[in-house]
Amino acid sequence: ELKVEQNPLFLSMQEGKNYTIYCNYSTTSDRLYWYRQDPGKSLESLFVLLSNGAVKQEGRLMASLDTKARLSTLHITAAVHDLSATYFCAVDPTGGVATNKLIFGTGTLLAVQP
Amino acid sequence: NAGVTQTPKFQVLKTGQSMTLQCAQDMNHEYMSWYRQDPGMGLRLIHYSVGAGITDQGEVPNGYNVSRSTTEDFPLRLLSAAPSQTSVYFCATTSYNEQFFGPGTRLTVL
Repeated sequence: ELKVEQNPLFLSMQEGKNYTIYCNYSTTSDRLYWYRQDPGKSLESLFVLLSNGAVKQEGRLMASLDTKARLSTLHITAAVHDLSATYFCAVDPTGGVATNKLIFGTGTLLAVQP
Repeated sequence: NAGVTQTPKFQVLKTGQSMTLQCAQDMNHEYMSWYRQDPGMGLRLIHYSVGAGITDQGEVPNGYNVSRSTTEDFPLRLLSAAPSQTSVYFCATTSYNEQFFGPGTRLTVL
């Protein structure tokens, strides 16, 4: 059974600081997603990582994928309050064409304090 | 282009009642899925479809039925609601490595 684990589950950080959220998964996958969710809202797609060594950046967020270690990271640089949200990673356990059978991590609740 | 729409936004049911959560998409995507989200947990896959007439079970299918008679619509049926089905339900479509999520339906079963 594929498991996806995120840590930490809760992260309180000060504005201007850097931090990393980790996403470990238990089986082979070449397709990993990061999402953001604000309270009471749906999921917003942040990154799609499709191969070993993939790195993507958008603003203060950077995501990377190491398929050999089965690890993805979401790095936050110089955090600002607007980044406060819950962040989820999700893995597509099937090979080949993307499917709609994602396995999600439990999420990381990020609170950025002024 | 509305993307993925879900109705209703909120629903309260009594134990044993049945209802259908609606999901529609106007992006002509073949793949559609239903997930549930419980507090402190990520989304879990209930059922999915790879095209009209084709559905299959996900991680937590018990208590739910689906059908896919058209590309656009993928309704989720609760046959006899239970308090354990209190959750937020998200419908999603998939195309070219990207998932598109609907706004969600918040369901409470008393």
